[in-house]
Amino acid sequence: ETGVTQSPTHLIKTRGQQVTLRCSSQSGHNTVSWYQQALGQGPQFIFQYYREEENGRGNFPPRFSGLQFPNYSSELNVNALELDDSALYLCASSYQDTEAFFGQGTRLTVV
Amino acid sequence: AQSVTQLDSQVPVFEEAPVELRCNYSSSVSVYLFWYVQYPNQGLQLLLKYLSGSTLVKGINGFEAEFNKSQTSFHLRKPSVHISDTAEYFCAVNTGFQKLVFGTGTRLLVSP
Repeated sequence: ETGVTQSPTHLIKTRGQQVTLRCSSQSGHNTVSWYQQALGQGPQFIFQYYREEENGRGNFPPRFSGLQFPNYSSELNVNALELDDSALYLCASSYQDTEAFFGQGTRLTVV
Repeated sequence: AQSVTQLDSQVPVFEEAPVELRCNYSSSVSVYLFWYVQYPNQGLQLLLKYLSGSTLVKGINGFEAEFNKSQTSFHLRKPSVHISDTAEYFCAVNTGFQKLVFGTGTRLLVSP
């Protein structure tokens, strides 16, 4: 059974650019949630996808968007990057409302 | 809205000493509470969870937590810590379908 994997592990982008982060959910899981963890802070919920549909969204602007594919993997897209978008982005997968398992995260630096 | 508060940003402790990391929650409905650990440059690992039933919950690595409804608390404890327990610890509440609201974290620093 493979765990939750995220790619890339690190990346550096310039302000104003766009970025796509990827997450492969754990086998058997149909729900993916994305979190942003700024330095020294707790993770904050961005949004969740369940069976390819958005199933809840946190307090993030529309330039944060996502997708879930038929195999339940997911992407997080951020447009018009700002310096404050620099953070660790965590993906968590679960089977509906059972325990969430987290990936190792993608460290995004915006310069 | 449901929320959690972690009262201590940092807890220094000597190896083999007991430790308690505090978490208080705010909710008007049934709560499902979690403690996660995060080692440097890594994701989150579940330590333990409270869903219902016994208020004393045992988790991995010798940690346990007690759910106290009257005090709206879910403090994490370990009777004897190791150097390897040095990490960031997060308390979280499930707001539904595993949408988690996290506290700001407590850094546990274990020294010899």
